[in-house]
Amino acid sequence: DQQVKQNSPSLSVQEGRISILNCDYTNSMFDYFLWYKKYPAEGPTFLISISSIKDKNEDGRFTVFLNKSAKHLSLHIVPSQPGDSAVYFCAARDFYSGNTPLVFGKGTRLSVIA
Amino acid sequence: DTEVTQTPKHLVMGMTNKKSLKCEQHMGHRAMYWYKQKAKKPPELMFVYSYEKLSINESVPSRFSPECPNSSLLNLHLHALQPEDSALYLCASSQEGDSVNNEQFFGPGTRLTVL
Repeated sequence: DQQVKQNSPSLSVQEGRISILNCDYTNSMFDYFLWYKKYPAEGPTFLISISSIKDKNEDGRFTVFLNKSAKHLSLHIVPSQPGDSAVYFCAARDFYSGNTPLVFGKGTRLSVIA
Repeated sequence: DTEVTQTPKHLVMGMTNKKSLKCEQHMGHRAMYWYKQKAKKPPELMFVYSYEKLSINESVPSRFSPECPNSSLLNLHLHALQPEDSALYLCASSQEGDSVNNEQFFGPGTRLTVL
């Protein structure tokens, strides 16, 4: 049973426009969420995170929104740049239950077209 | 130093070989992880070490043997692997305990091919 779902395997966006990547989760115990970016042949790079006490976290061009009641989070990239083209993984953990590992979604491949 | 390093970058081995993957971090993190990633799939957790003790083994076959010699180093010993074990092996580390900013930092991975 997939606890973290990224239902869009791919997304194409024009340079300068907004990219919106979505993620849904089923485990109501998850309280800490992260987005990772991965280029081919490289390890995932941490991008931005949000804890369940917040509904928004912003870092430069990247903003993550969390809707706890809908068990949904999204990553907004504005403006999108060609260098943002990569696979984006959503991940979640149950932080307050101890050292539980991250649960990853299957990823969304973002292509930013110049 | 905010880097996780992994060696080697690439490894090709036969099914009868014994080899080791190495991972190192100097961020003072006390939790370290091994993940396996196949093409077009998310990383799959294999092992978690917490304060140099194995805390999670995700039912990984015994042909994979982790070792944590000290708080900065994590090894993965490989023996009698199968071709289906070919994958990208990722090491990660994170702060432990009650740290709120508990993101995991990943190394670049070792691309393993088993012939």
